[in-house]
Amino acid sequence: KQEVTQIPAALSVPEGENLVLNCSFTDSAIYNLQWFRQDPGKGLTSLLLIQSSQREQTSGRLNASLDKSSGRSTLYIAASQPGDSATYLCAVRNPYDYKLSFGAGTTVTVRA
Amino acid sequence: GAGVSQTPSNKVTEKGKYVELRCDPISGHTALYWYRQSLGQGPEFLIYFQGTGAADDSGLPNDRFFAVRPEGSVSTLKIQRTERGDSAVYLCASSSLGAGEQETQYFGPGTRLLVL
Repeated sequence: KQEVTQIPAALSVPEGENLVLNCSFTDSAIYNLQWFRQDPGKGLTSLLLIQSSQREQTSGRLNASLDKSSGRSTLYIAASQPGDSATYLCAVRNPYDYKLSFGAGTTVTVRA
Repeated sequence: GAGVSQTPSNKVTEKGKYVELRCDPISGHTALYWYRQSLGQGPEFLIYFQGTGAADDSGLPNDRFFAVRPEGSVSTLKIQRTERGDSAVYLCASSSLGAGEQETQYFGPGTRLLVL
């Protein structure tokens, strides 16, 4: 069974600082890995998807890396803004089924 | 275009009652998923539909939970004899199969269920 862990559980930084969010998974035979954002009381918004053959994906200020062999992914958010305050979830999909296995998330607060 | 919608947005019920939660996927998406998210946790998989059939229901916690998708579009999650432990946010997602490793699941806003 795939287990996904996210560290830290919560993070508070001043505006402008770079954010580093970590995700680890136990089964390295993944199909893809996604990073989602969840605002309070809202659903999930997909930020980045990294295919198993890729090492990283970038979108604007966001960059996600993937190291399958060590079972790790890192989400970098450059020059954080108060609007980046949310919970960030990492989810892994294995090749033998369609479901996503999620971590518990990292709750980020960016102070103005 | 419209995203995934879920109704009701909030549901308060009493222990022992029956509830139905509805999901309208993105038009044309053949795959539909239900997840349950407890406070402070990530979503946990419940059931996956491909078309009208449940391709994987391994995440349903017990036989009080049942889901249908009779016409391959709208899905209803049904919970019988609700218990306080069923209180959670129930999330629905849909996707367009065939995208391979690029397949993204699109999530609805969720239904917040509170069992008193």
